[in-house]
Parts: sequence; C-alpha cells; structure tokens
Amino acid sequence: GEDVEQSLFLSVREGDSSVINCTYTDSSSTYLYWYKQEPGAGLQLLTYIFSNMDMKQDQRLTVLLNKKDKHLSLRIADTQTGDSAIYFCAERVTGGGNKLTFGTGTQLKVEL
Amino acid sequence: NAGVTQTPKFRVLKTGQSMTLLCAQDMNHEYMYWYRQDPGMGLRLIHYSVGEGTTAKGEVPDGYNVSRLKKQNFLLGLESAAPSQTSVYFCASSTTGGDFEKTQYFGPGTRLLVL
Repeated sequence: GEDVEQSLFLSVREGDSSVINCTYTDSSSTYLYWYKQEPGAGLQLLTYIFSNMDMKQDQRLTVLLNKKDKHLSLRIADTQTGDSAIYFCAERVTGGGNKLTFGTGTQLKVEL
Repeated sequence: NAGVTQTPKFRVLKTGQSMTLLCAQDMNHEYMYWYRQDPGMGLRLIHYSVGEGTTAKGEVPDGYNVSRLKKQNFLLGLESAAPSQTSVYFCASSTTGGDFEKTQYFGPGTRLLVL
C-alpha cells in the first residue's frame, strides 16, 4: 500500500531557507502536493507538482521531485515567522475517487 | 462563497453517546471526504463519496457511518463514541473534471473529545 514519510520537526532562523523532505512509495502517483496547516485551522494547498516535472517554482516556494528515489522536497526561501506551521506532503492515490495519502506532517518552527 | 464549512467546531461526548458531524460545500464539487487527524499520524481517510447517494470506505472506517443525501452535504456519524475516536475531524471536497490538479479543499475541522 501507499506510505508517505516525513521528518516530524524542523527549526530554522528567520531569513534562512527551509527544506522539508518527503518520501513516497507509489511510483504511479500522478500528482504530489504540499499543504500547510496553521494552528487550529484546516489544510491549505500550497503547491503541487505533476509527476513528469522535476521542479516547480512559485515565488518563495520551490518543489523538487526525484522520481527515481521517490523523493519530494519543498524549499521555502527567506523563511518568515508566518511560515511557522505544519507542512504535509500528499500523493494522489491511483484508482478512483481522487484520494490522497498524506504524510505525517513536518512542524516548521521559525525563530527570530 | 464560504468554501467548505463544518459544524460543530468542538464537541465533548461521553463514551457510548452518538453524534453527527456536518460538512457543507458551496463549490458544486462531486467528491467529498472525511479524515481524522491524530498527532504524529497525519490525516487518515475515514470515508469518501464520489457523488450524491454514493459512499465508500477509506483507510479507517470502523465505528463511523456516512451519508450523502445532497450533493453539497456529507455527514459523518458516530453511533457509539469511544475514547479512541477522540481526534480532529476534517472534511474536504474536490472536483472531477479535466486532468488538472484536482486539489482537495479542506474545512476548518471539528475537535471531538470522547470521555
């Protein structure tokens, strides 16, 4: 079955870059996503990448996909205190229903 | 356009009590989902629906039932609550058409405590 893994915690200083990593197991995944969850709130889609892409950049966010190693990363440039949140990667599960399998989430703490 | 809304926001139940969580979306989405979120475990899919009148089991369906009588609403029921069902419950919805990213849109969550 599908399994998505992330490290649980990351701490960075304001202004530095953050890199959040994710590994997944379903090689037939077509889309991979990054969601952000702020305290007490639901999940918001940050960005996504299609499986035939290696990289996608969206303002301060850069997504890198290594299909051979089934590794996905999210880089946040110039990290700000407002970026403190839990970040989830997710892969679209093959089959019907547009189901997603989520990772365990990485808590990002941005320190002054 | 409210997106996905959930009621209630917070609820305390005693073991054995029943309750229904309501999810509503105003985006005319075909697909709807119920997840639970527990510390260190990410989100796990409980049940989902691919259209009005249809439901299907997800990863952790035991102890829950769902109904999708109207396209815009997806109800999650707990017939006899157990402490293991203490969790934060999220509803989500998504579109079906085309081959774009078909992202899921999430509600704000319902915190449930079962004593």
